[in-house]
Amino acid sequence: AQTVTQSQPEMSVQEAETVTLSCTYDTSENNYYLFWYKQPPSRQMILVIRQEAYKQQNATENRFSVNFQKAAKSFSLKISDSQLGDTAMYFCAFILTGGGNKLTFGTGTQLKVEL
Amino acid sequence: NAGVMQNPRHLVRRRGQEARLRCSPMKGHSHVYWYRQLPEEGLKFMVYLQKENIIDESGMPKERFSAEFPKEGPSILRIQQVVRGDSAAYFCASSLPGLANEQFFGPGTRLTVL
Repeated sequence: AQTVTQSQPEMSVQEAETVTLSCTYDTSENNYYLFWYKQPPSRQMILVIRQEAYKQQNATENRFSVNFQKAAKSFSLKISDSQLGDTAMYFCAFILTGGGNKLTFGTGTQLKVEL
Repeated sequence: NAGVMQNPRHLVRRRGQEARLRCSPMKGHSHVYWYRQLPEEGLKFMVYLQKENIIDESGMPKERFSAEFPKEGPSILRIQQVVRGDSAAYFCASSLPGLANEQFFGPGTRLTVL
């Protein structure tokens, strides 16, 4: 079975600081894609960043970057220069290349950015 | 370009009634996905459809739940004889054809069963 574990139910960070959200996953497959989604209070799911497992280079999207450790099956998200608008629930997820495009999500980390 | 549309946003049903949730994908998207989010949990995959075709329904409960994506019109998730445990947020997403293309999510329908 494919699973995603987010061990930090809640985190907080001061505005302008950096925070890292952890994610580990379990799959016996070798080819997959990893994602971080953000769900603000509006509940709209928004894609933050995406990583192809076959790429060694970590993905970066403005203030968001990942630390992808394939051997450890770890996929953490780093948010730099945190802003109040980053307050949201963050979900880690993956798709297997042979898995029919279905996303498997973790249980989420609630991030609160404080003044 | 309008995003993924879902309606209604909120739906209240009594036990035993039917719930119909609608999803209009983004323009040009022919793939639709339904996910369910129970309180305090992540989203769980339910079903993946193309026009007039169910690709993967491995996450659908065996009874009372069905989904369709007709040639014309929105995708429909139908829940018959709802029970309290069906109370959840139901999200629809759409994508272009292809492997692992970005899934764009709608705002969700919050179903409450009394």
